[in-house]
Amino acid sequence: NAGVTQTPKFQVLKTGQSMTLQCAQDMNHEYMSWYRQDPGMGLRLIHYSVGAGITDQGEVPNGYNVSRSTTEDFPLRLLSAAPSQTSVYFCASINSGTGNSYEQYFGPGTRLTVT
Amino acid sequence: GNSVTQMEGPVTLSEEAFLTINCTYTATGYPSLFWYVQYPGEGLQLLLKATKADDKGSNKGFEATYRKETTSFHLEKGSVQVSDSAVYFCALSPPGAGSYQLTFGKGTKLSVIP
Repeated sequence: NAGVTQTPKFQVLKTGQSMTLQCAQDMNHEYMSWYRQDPGMGLRLIHYSVGAGITDQGEVPNGYNVSRSTTEDFPLRLLSAAPSQTSVYFCASINSGTGNSYEQYFGPGTRLTVT
Repeated sequence: GNSVTQMEGPVTLSEEAFLTINCTYTATGYPSLFWYVQYPGEGLQLLLKATKADDKGSNKGFEATYRKETTSFHLEKGSVQVSDSAVYFCALSPPGAGSYQLTFGKGTKLSVIP
């Protein structure tokens, strides 16, 4: 198993540009989520999904869109990038079906800089 | 709402020193509590967890006990190694089935010097 994969690893955007951060997992996990990590702020939840076709907002959803058309993929879209979105983005998944599995598996992250 | 407060770093220790990283939380009911570790350039990995009061989580020589009376989940290790240098995050998830949203503390950077 590859676990949770994210692409790209690094990205530089200009203000106003759009892009999609990719996230995929091969563990058949129902629950997936996106976090952003900023210095001195810990990780904050952007959006999450409890299964294909179902998404919901987290703590800091503004400026981001998500969709979940398959169990495996959970892309994060920035429609019009702003410097405030400069951050490291992590995708995570968990097997919510077991009821006793509490470990969330994190991807390696995407470091995004918006100039 | 839910929140997690952990001691600010950075923390610098000599090899074989004793480590404590304090973590307290605010939540309704009995959340699940976690410590995650992030090594340089990597994503987060679960270090240990506790799902009910008085539970002790342990892994790789690290321990933390879920203290409901003090709403704390302090991380301890008796003898740190250089390889323990990383950022440590305390986190909670709310009680109830299907509640997997994690609330994180701000992280504590640990540097262990030989």
